[in-house]
Amino acid sequence: DVKVTQSSRYLVKRTGEKVFLECVQDMDHENMFWYRQDPGLGLRLIYFSYDVKMKEKGDIPEGYSVSREKKERFSLILESASTNQTSMYLCASSSGGASYEQYFGPGTRLTVT
Amino acid sequence: GQNIDQPTEMTATEGAIVQINCTYQTSGFNGLFWYQQHAGEAPTFLSYNVLDGLEEKGRFSSFLSRSKGYSYLLLKELQMKDSASYLCAVSFYGGATNKLIFGTGTLLAVQP
Repeated sequence: DVKVTQSSRYLVKRTGEKVFLECVQDMDHENMFWYRQDPGLGLRLIYFSYDVKMKEKGDIPEGYSVSREKKERFSLILESASTNQTSMYLCASSSGGASYEQYFGPGTRLTVT
Repeated sequence: GQNIDQPTEMTATEGAIVQINCTYQTSGFNGLFWYQQHAGEAPTFLSYNVLDGLEEKGRFSSFLSRSKGYSYLLLKELQMKDSASYLCAVSFYGGATNKLIFGTGTLLAVQP
């Protein structure tokens, strides 16, 4: 059974803080993704990685960076948290082929005050 | 541009059939996924279509017409536990790997 875990379910941070969200998958997947989910906007891709140390920007990368030092772990970094980054953050992983579904972690509800 | 449209909300009765539509306009196409997401939980995979036609999986079926940029998810014999958000997502090759673009989701409420 594929498992994707995220470091926290709920997180409260202050404006300007540096925030780390971690994601770990146990199925040796090449691809890993970070999304944010907001009401009325759906899931939007922030960054993705297709191999260790390889990363590409998604649709809304501004204010975020990522790190993938090991195949199973993909971190999302908010360099200086702002209130408009309050959101649900979802990590996902998948094998490389087009027909392979993405498996999602449980999500981290981040509130920036 | 990339655009996926699906209704925001739908209501149906327990035991009935409901069809959730999805239309898309994307610059590439490697298949269409449907995911189910219960409130406060992660999305879970329901179906994948890459060829035209109907794919049936128990109470759930998904249809695709590539020429029309159209898909639907059909849920039969509705149960209360089917109350959830249903997400339509198109897969396309994004330069380095396959990516998904999601619709905003359809919130289905099943009533007794």
